[in-house]
Amino acid sequence: AQSVTQLGSHVSVSEGALVLLRCNYSSSVPPYLFWYVQYPNQGLQLLLKYTSAATLVKGINGFEAEFKKSETSFHLTKPSAHMSDAAEYFCAVGDNDMRFGAGTRLTVKP
Amino acid sequence: GAGVSQTPSNKVTEKGKYVELRCDPISGHTALYWYRQSLGQGPEFLIYFQGTGAADDSGLPNDRFFAVRPEGSVSTLKIQRTERGDSAVYLCASSLLGGSDTQYFGPGTRLTVL
Repeated sequence: AQSVTQLGSHVSVSEGALVLLRCNYSSSVPPYLFWYVQYPNQGLQLLLKYTSAATLVKGINGFEAEFKKSETSFHLTKPSAHMSDAAEYFCAVGDNDMRFGAGTRLTVKP
Repeated sequence: GAGVSQTPSNKVTEKGKYVELRCDPISGHTALYWYRQSLGQGPEFLIYFQGTGAADDSGLPNDRFFAVRPEGSVSTLKIQRTERGDSAVYLCASSLLGGSDTQYFGPGTRLTVL
């Protein structure tokens, strides 16, 4: 079975600071990995996905994630946080039976 | 084009009642998914359709839950004898061909069982 663990249910950063949201996966096969964002009262939106091509994946809104097999990690980063980045972020693994983490709520302080 | 739509947006029912939740996927998408998201949790996979058939229903919690997609487009999630623990947001997603194709999510139906 595949699963992901998101470390930190809440992350708070200052505007302009680095954003780092952590995700570790467990999978017996090469995984497909995803990051989704959920803004208040909106549906889930795909930020980026890893499907065994380049290990550094660039997504929308300046986010990127690096697949590290040796660390079983797929952490999400953004060099400079904006107020508009405040949302809930979910890491997920799998394909047709995608398994999500519990989510990390990002707060951006002015 | 239009995204994934779900109706109703909110549903309040009483314990023991039957409910149906509808999902209209993006036109032309062959794969359709149902998830359940409880408060403070990530979405939980329920069932996946490829065309008209349920390819994987391993996430359905028990036999009170059933889903159909008779014409390979619209899907209905049916819950019998609802329980208070069924209260959650039910999400639908669709993708073009399934697999690692991007899943596009609808806004969800918030189900409250009193």
